[in-house]
Amino acid sequence: NAGVTQTPKFRILKIGQSMTLQCAQDMNHNYMYWYRQDPGMGLKLIYYSVGAGITDKGEVPNGYNVSRSTTEDFPLRLELAAPSQTSVYFCASSKTGAGNQPQHFGDGTRLSIL
Amino acid sequence: GDSVTQMEGPVTLSEEAFLTINCTYTATGYPSLFWYVQYPGEGLQLLLKATKADDKGSNKGFEATYRKETTSFHLEKGSVQVSDSAVYFCALTPANQAGTALIFGKGTTLSVSS
Repeated sequence: NAGVTQTPKFRILKIGQSMTLQCAQDMNHNYMYWYRQDPGMGLKLIYYSVGAGITDKGEVPNGYNVSRSTTEDFPLRLELAAPSQTSVYFCASSKTGAGNQPQHFGDGTRLSIL
Repeated sequence: GDSVTQMEGPVTLSEEAFLTINCTYTATGYPSLFWYVQYPGEGLQLLLKATKADDKGSNKGFEATYRKETTSFHLEKGSVQVSDSAVYFCALTPANQAGTALIFGKGTTLSVSS
């Protein structure tokens, strides 16, 4: 019953460093999403994917990149970490893109940029 | 654009008290509406949903009714427990836009004491 698995759970980066947040799902879901959650705010969409090889920008994509080479994996890349990217990052997936389909979330990655 | 507004928290209640968390939305057409819950240190979990006007979603004693006339989806529970302490997010997916992400409210923190 793994669902959506995110690694790492916590990470501290220095300004200018790069890293990849990993996300994997074992539910054979076509759609995957990356959100960020800032204190006292709802989640904001960074990028999403409707299937392997297809990605698209969300509301706040600047400073991030994604790839979707397989159905299962959807990594998020930070190339030049900035303090504004300090946040909690959530990966989610859904079977289809239909609006009535719920999304399944991972437990999040808490990232601090110092 | 579409948006969700939730009542500000935190909400502090005693065990067995009645809970209401207000949620209103702005959207064209008939979006799908959701309540997600986030327990400390965890990702978001779907609590309930409603996909058309007058639908009532329910789960674990929580209920919410899709009210098109007041553009509302208020969350209620008749008798809260300490284990209900969490952050509650109201969210929507826009009508007729497959593949788009959830639009979240800012979240309402509920704290229940025994």
